Formats: sequence, structure tokens, C-alpha cells
Amino acid sequence: GENVGLHLPTLSVQEGDNSIINCAYSNSASDYFIWYKQESGKGPQFIIDIRSNMDKRQGQRVTVLLNKTVKHLSLQIAATQPGDSAVYFCAEYSSASKIIFGSGTRLSIRP
Amino acid sequence: EAGVAQSPRYKIIEKRQSVAFWCNPISGHATLYWYQQILGQGPKLLIQFQNNGVVDDSQLPKDRFSAERLKGVDSTLKIQPAKLEDSAVYLCASSSGAYIGYTFGSGTRLTVV
Repeated sequence: GENVGLHLPTLSVQEGDNSIINCAYSNSASDYFIWYKQESGKGPQFIIDIRSNMDKRQGQRVTVLLNKTVKHLSLQIAATQPGDSAVYFCAEYSSASKIIFGSGTRLSIRP
Repeated sequence: EAGVAQSPRYKIIEKRQSVAFWCNPISGHATLYWYQQILGQGPKLLIQFQNNGVVDDSQLPKDRFSAERLKGVDSTLKIQPAKLEDSAVYLCASSSGAYIGYTFGSGTRLTVV
């Protein structure tokens, strides 16, 4: 059979600890950078975004950091919970009104 | 608000056969997208519709893939003939115009054997 995310990088985190998921992007002209969460058998779900002229944005238990100098994006999840287990994708939104996805990371939670 | 509906959820076909997927976007969403997600990868945009017109189909393999959105609402994506490498999840998404309103369906998992 086939396993979803078989070749994805995996991050294993102890429940209650903070998680940091990283992503490198290539298109400096994107207007927004976005993080999506994808659970097994479901479509991607919007988590948080950051406009290209910002460095940091905080949500509920999540923080996104943008480093335009090195074209790096990160997602920090505070106090990781079992429900956070999923594949996380970074994505870019361009003026052409479309979202382009980057690489994914599988987050697994250790009890 | 109802989400993006897709059917079927799963499909298994033999190579060289044909297959079609259906998508019903969120009511009122003018923009509709089809993505292909191969296992272990991020979704890749195949085609973008604005109402019933094609905005971008640059990544659609037109020798075997086709898509239509005749009345600017529902859409179908067809593969004819299918190849083994077409095995993937096909995701439909719709948008009200701003990406925050971009909503994905649960997808159709296609296995070509």
C-alpha cells in the first residue's frame, strides 16, 4: 500500500514542548507567505499567514517568522498537543491569485 | 457554510483507462482551482478558473488532462488515458477572491494500477 508522507521530513516533539517547523522559499515577489496544516485524508487547512513586509506574526499558540534575507520561513507551535499531529506546508500567494505550495514536514507528537 | 465537495473519494483504475473527478465549490466563489498532490509532496496547481473561464492552465498536461467549468459553478477534471504516475490525490479549492477565503475539499485519491 501507499503511505502518505512516506518521504517527508519528520519532526518528533514531546507533548507540551514547542515545535519549530522550517521552510525555504524561492520567490521573493510573493505578497504573502502562508502555513497550512494537512491531516490524513483531508485537504490543507489555513493556519496563519504573514505579509511579505513583516518579520513576525503571532496567532493563537502559533507564530510565523519571516527572514527575507535568507528566504526562510518558520512556524512555531507553543505547547504542542496531540491534535497538532499533521503534515505542515509552507506556501506563497502571488498577485496572480494563486497559492503555490512548498515542501512539507510531518509533525509527530510523543506522549 | 458548506465546504468544497468532491467526489468520488477514492478511485482505482487500470492504466490507459479514463477517469473523471467532480467538484462543487463554495456557493458564490468565483475562482476554482484543481491541484494534484503526489504522495510525499505539496499540492501542485493544475488549473485555475475564474467563473467559467480558464485563467491559468500552464501546469496541466493537456495531452491527457482536461477540465471544464461550464456554468461557472461545478467543475470536472478528466484524465484520458491514465498513466501510473497520475496516482495522486486531486484536490479542488475555491476562493472568493482573497486567498484567506481559499478553501480546499478533501480530495479524490486516484490509484492507477
